[in-house]
Amino acid sequence: EVQLVESGGGLIQPGGSLRLSCAASGFTVSSNYMSWVRQAPGKGLEWVSVIYSGGSTYYADSVKGRFTISRDNSKNTLYLQMNSLRAEDTAVYYCARVHTLQDAFDIWGQGTMVTVSS
Amino acid sequence: SSELTQDPAVSVALGQTVRITCQGDSLRSYYASWYQQKPGQAPVLVIYGKNNRPSGIPDRFSGSSSGNTASLTITGAQAEDEADYYCNSRDSSGNPNWVFGGGTKLTVL
Repeated sequence: EVQLVESGGGLIQPGGSLRLSCAASGFTVSSNYMSWVRQAPGKGLEWVSVIYSGGSTYYADSVKGRFTISRDNSKNTLYLQMNSLRAEDTAVYYCARVHTLQDAFDIWGQGTMVTVSS
Repeated sequence: SSELTQDPAVSVALGQTVRITCQGDSLRSYYASWYQQKPGQAPVLVIYGKNNRPSGIPDRFSGSSSGNTASLTITGAQAEDEADYYCNSRDSSGNPNWVFGGGTKLTVL
């Protein structure tokens, strides 16, 4: 079964760091574009970052310089390292696979909640 | 960066047809994808590309596009279709990014 399972969320103080994980099964992370999308409480979806199969990475302006996307091919797992966290980073973070041909997010994880608060 | 605009809320009578729209300059260059999200759940892809449905998505869902506007049509809306719907596409402003619309809350009466 094709599946994504996120973990690593929690309560963190402003300025702190957190690393999210997204374990994939049923397909190979390194062969696909993989992305992170977040959703603040009661708000819409916001694209955060992508890592291409070739390893290139891109970020939304709102997280550039603070977040880093990466993957561990041996563990078939995607990561999001989040530094210098702000209150406005509070959200459910989803990992998602990008459809091979159509740039759509075809597989989503269940999400992990990150709360930035003192 | 590009922006995608959706109506915040739309309603439809049970069994009737409803169209949810998404506007943005990026849609002149890229197809929109559509996602359904029910409360407390992750989004689910319902339409991608020109008009493609992933496996398991009912054929009452269809997509279309014209100029800078993409549309999601539900023909014969069911009670279980009540949800938030989001469009998204690649960013056409030169950034290798994606953009999402603000979402449309669909109420089935």
